[in-house]
Amino acid sequence: DVKVTQSSRYLVKRTGEKVFLECVQDMDHENMFWYRQDPGLGLRLIYFSYDVKMKEKGDIPEGYSVSREKKERFSLILESASTNQTSMYLCASSLQGRYESGANVLTFGAGSRLTVL
Amino acid sequence: GQQVMQIPQYQHVQEGEDFTTYCNSSTTLSNIQWYKQRPGGHPVFLIQLVKSGEVKKQKRLTFQFGEAKKNSSLHITATQTTDVGTYFCAGPRTGNQFYFGTGTSLTVIP
Repeated sequence: DVKVTQSSRYLVKRTGEKVFLECVQDMDHENMFWYRQDPGLGLRLIYFSYDVKMKEKGDIPEGYSVSREKKERFSLILESASTNQTSMYLCASSLQGRYESGANVLTFGAGSRLTVL
Repeated sequence: GQQVMQIPQYQHVQEGEDFTTYCNSSTTLSNIQWYKQRPGGHPVFLIQLVKSGEVKKQKRLTFQFGEAKKNSSLHITATQTTDVGTYFCAGPRTGNQFYFGTGTSLTVIP
């Protein structure tokens, strides 16, 4: 069964701490994404990557950075966590290609619920 | 920039009643996707619509893509408790990225 695995299901951190959220996919997908989900706001794109060592900002990149050293792994980093970063973080991946082929269907991980105190 | 708006935000129905959620875009979409997120779960892909006026069915779920490819709907006939969750539409942006609607949270009252 194909999978996107997020390393931590629940995390509690303190303001100012550095936070790493890890995501690994076993589907050989080129594209990987980090979303943030908050009630009433839907899913908002933080960062994405189309290839190893490549990253692009999404809609809300402030306060976040990412790393993609290997194709299967995409990490989200909060350099100095703040209380307004308390949220559910969802990693997703997809194949590159045209939508007609179904290549852009997103497979999500189970999510990482982060609480910053 | 292009965004996808979704209504209603919440819907409570009695089991057996029908349910519909609507998705609207200010610009023409090349395709639209629908996802379902169960309570405590993660979004799971349901379907992709590509053609103008397209209608697709999955058992009690009917998905429509508008003629102008600017709107879409998901209709559930005779809801069951297993339909509980949040339904998201997603419209494409540049590359293989998507704008997600804010979602419709469906509660089914037994």
